Amino acid sequence: DIQLTQSPSFLSASVGDRVTITCRASQGISSYLAWYQQKPGKAPKLLIYAASTLQSGVPSRFSGSGSGTEFTLTISSLQPEDFATYYCQQLNSYPNTFGQGTRLEIK
Amino acid sequence: EVQLVETGGGLIQPGGSLRLSCAASGFTVSSNYMSWVRQAPGKGLEWVSVIYSGGSTYYADSVKGRFTISRDNSKNTLYLQMNSLRAEDTAVYYCARDIRYCSGGSCYEYFDYWGQGTLVTVSS
Repeated sequence: DIQLTQSPSFLSASVGDRVTITCRASQGISSYLAWYQQKPGKAPKLLIYAASTLQSGVPSRFSGSGSGTEFTLTISSLQPEDFATYYCQQLNSYPNTFGQGTRLEIK
Repeated sequence: EVQLVETGGGLIQPGGSLRLSCAASGFTVSSNYMSWVRQAPGKGLEWVSVIYSGGSTYYADSVKGRFTISRDNSKNTLYLQMNSLRAEDTAVYYCARDIRYCSGGSCYEYFDYWGQGTLVTVSS
């Protein structure tokens, strides 16, 4: 199985900050990676797919990059509604594993 | 409008069975890939199973041989039959529409719509 490791696992930041979350795959997965945002008690919400394609309706402050084994999710200017947990998911092969999550909290 | 509504969760004893349903509206289940993902209390997301539009199915090793994914085209509903349940199956179960598209010689996937989830608790 392909393992995904996110860093950091916890991030404290302020409104307006630029933040970057990294997702590393245990083997190459080309660009078969998606990013999701999850708020407490809610279902995950798709942000980015194919590593860098912004899902329709998602604000442009979110961006994704990378290929192979290293990927990043960047939020250019944090807004209050962005404080949540973020997950990466690989869709290169089954099982479609997720990273362990990055919890983003208000400083 | 696309909507997914899961039902069927509840409290079940170890070794018992439960069937989850995921009623879809706004699109046709049989024309899409559909997946189940679960989340144990306070934990991360775990992919469980997928059914292709052509009917092929795949499972996580942790549920293989115990869980069965299926669909009823006439009801536009996805199912997850869960047998021989264990305490470690306790989780919120989400169904999701699994979009697959091909571009430039590569085929990409992502889960664009999710249900609200249904809680399964396995405990005596």
